[in-house]
Amino acid sequence: AQKVTQAQTEISVVEKEDVTLDCVYETRDTTYYLFWYKQPPSGELVFLIRRNSFDEQNEISGRYSWNFQKSTSSFNFTITASQVVDSAVYFCALSEFDSGGGADGLTFGKGTHLIIQP
Amino acid sequence: DADVTQTPRNRITKTGKRIMLECSQTKGHDRMYWYRQDPGLGLRLIYYSFDVKDINKGEISDGYSVSRQAQAKFSLSLESAIPNQTALYFCATSDAGTENGELFFGEGSRLTVL
Repeated sequence: AQKVTQAQTEISVVEKEDVTLDCVYETRDTTYYLFWYKQPPSGELVFLIRRNSFDEQNEISGRYSWNFQKSTSSFNFTITASQVVDSAVYFCALSEFDSGGGADGLTFGKGTHLIIQP
Repeated sequence: DADVTQTPRNRITKTGKRIMLECSQTKGHDRMYWYRQDPGLGLRLIYYSFDVKDINKGEISDGYSVSRQAQAKFSLSLESAIPNQTALYFCATSDAGTENGELFFGEGSRLTVL
């Protein structure tokens, strides 16, 4: 069965520091997708990124970057020059595919609560 | 307007009461899901539906039931609510025509059972 581990329950840093959120996954599938979602204090889930298992290129979007390494089954998320508005709970998630070729939902990690102090 | 709408957004009820959380979507997606979020536990899948005639149990379906009244509507029921069902509930949809499994979430329904 698939599993997503976010070992960091809570991280607290001072504004402008860089911070990396770890995500390790387990799957028996060769085809899968990995996701990161942000949940700000208001509670909604905000999609950040999707990465498929065949694309190991790192991605950068502004202050956000993601490092996908199949060799270590990791999909880590780095925020550069953190800001107070980055304070949120961040979830890593994995989708596998049922026998019909469709995804039967995402498996989520337990989340990392990121606190950015001014 | 939101593509995935959940009602109610907040509800306080008493142990033993029947509660229904409703979800409707305008995205035209076939697949709909109900998740539960508890602090420190992440999101866990309760039920999912691939179409009106297809309902599947997720990881934590005990104590819950669902109804897919139409492609656009998926309701979650707690027949007899208990305090440990206090949680934030999310409805989500996905497009069976895409292969990536991306979910589109509603804004969440916060349920408190006293």
